[in-house]
Amino acid sequence: LAKTTQPISMDSYEGQEVNITCSHNNIATNDYITWYQQFPSQGPRFIIQGYKTKVTNEVASLFIPADRKSSTLSLPRVSLSDTAVYYCLARNTGGFKTIFGAGTRLFVKA
Amino acid sequence: DADVTQTPRNRITKTGKRIMLECSQTKGHDRMYWYRQDPGLGLRLIYYSFDVKDINKGEISDGYSVSRQAQAKFSLSLESAIPNQTALYFCATSEPGLAGGGTDTQYFGPGTRLTVL
Repeated sequence: LAKTTQPISMDSYEGQEVNITCSHNNIATNDYITWYQQFPSQGPRFIIQGYKTKVTNEVASLFIPADRKSSTLSLPRVSLSDTAVYYCLARNTGGFKTIFGAGTRLFVKA
Repeated sequence: DADVTQTPRNRITKTGKRIMLECSQTKGHDRMYWYRQDPGLGLRLIYYSFDVKDINKGEISDGYSVSRQAQAKFSLSLESAIPNQTALYFCATSEPGLAGGGTDTQYFGPGTRLTVL
């Protein structure tokens, strides 16, 4: 399982775009990059997943360069309710073993 | 996610007691998981099951056991609780990802906060 590295915490202000970068130097060919969001005292919630290039959904965008050694989760115009912990995971298509690291604690200020 | 429920939501118990945490799901998924989360840390996998007759250890299974009574139910037991098992416990479900379409997505329950005195 590829190890991922991401910042421990980030601060932002309402209305700003937030980019959280994740490093995964040892990513395997059949690994996908998956991001989850967790609010206090709740279970993690799936945000987005991608293999390469760019993926966008109603919540976020995910950018993965050609070498796939890193990825960036982009949250457009954050609000106070986006304050949460964000986890970057490298999961293969076998898919069942998930390593959740400490994640990135995002704090959005008014 | 309301499709994955956990009972109880909070539990305080004493060292040496046997505790069972229950998880039920209405998503129709075959795969179910139990995770543990300690303050400020990520989630660690305790056990997982791919169907009713399948039980597999995760990274921290010592001191825990599980039972998959039906597709929809997956229970976690602490045979003799100890204080360092105080944590937030999450149940999750998933189904395999589509071929060529990525990995499975896990759906988590609301968690059970367990305190062992």
